[in-house]
Amino acid sequence: DTAVSQTPKYLVTQMGNDKSIKCEQNLGHDTMYWYKQDSKKFLKIMFSYNNKELIINETVPNRFSPKSPDKAHLNLHINSLELGDSAVYFCASSLQGASYGYTFGSGTRLTVV
Amino acid sequence: AQSVTQLGSHVSVSEGALVLLRCNYSSSVPPYLFWYVQYPNQGLQLLLKYTSAATLVKGINGFEAEFKKSETSFHLTKPSAHMSDAAEYFCAVSDSRKAAGNKLTFGGGTRVLVKP
Repeated sequence: DTAVSQTPKYLVTQMGNDKSIKCEQNLGHDTMYWYKQDSKKFLKIMFSYNNKELIINETVPNRFSPKSPDKAHLNLHINSLELGDSAVYFCASSLQGASYGYTFGSGTRLTVV
Repeated sequence: AQSVTQLGSHVSVSEGALVLLRCNYSSSVPPYLFWYVQYPNQGLQLLLKYTSAATLVKGINGFEAEFKKSETSFHLTKPSAHMSDAAEYFCAVSDSRKAAGNKLTFGGGTRVLVKP
């Protein structure tokens, strides 16, 4: 059983389109995250939800909108995709508390053409 | 604000040799520190963590790291490299205060190449 699963694994789309990435965890964690990894492997947090409540919202364009229907799911919707959005997007989950560390999904590679 | 610096974006070691990956952090509060490994086309996997207990932390796959407050460092070592250790390694710091919301700040990563 995959602990943190993301779909799709690969996403190729044209500029201007709208797309969504889905994430689900079966670990019983109460906090979920979206991270962006750029072409140089640099990882940056985008959003974090705890029990469906948004708790971290970094300086991300408002074309990116996260949604957490319940504490096991965190989706990411991106409007009007741009070339610069091309990256690998990772979902992660953890228990509340900074000492636990995260469990990561395997990533979604988004390519905007 | 917290930050992490990993010295050396690439490290090449011979199989059987010592692996040493350097990590220095900046934090105004007692930090929690983590090392993650990323294999090609995969997500990140937790290797080990320091959460204010023992300063020498042992992790999976024979790795260990030592927290040195005076040097603000958390270097990762493995006595004998194996071909399967070839991967990208990330050091990360977390603010121990609850209000920080579990945010992990990552270093830029170090790619390890293992030569036969």
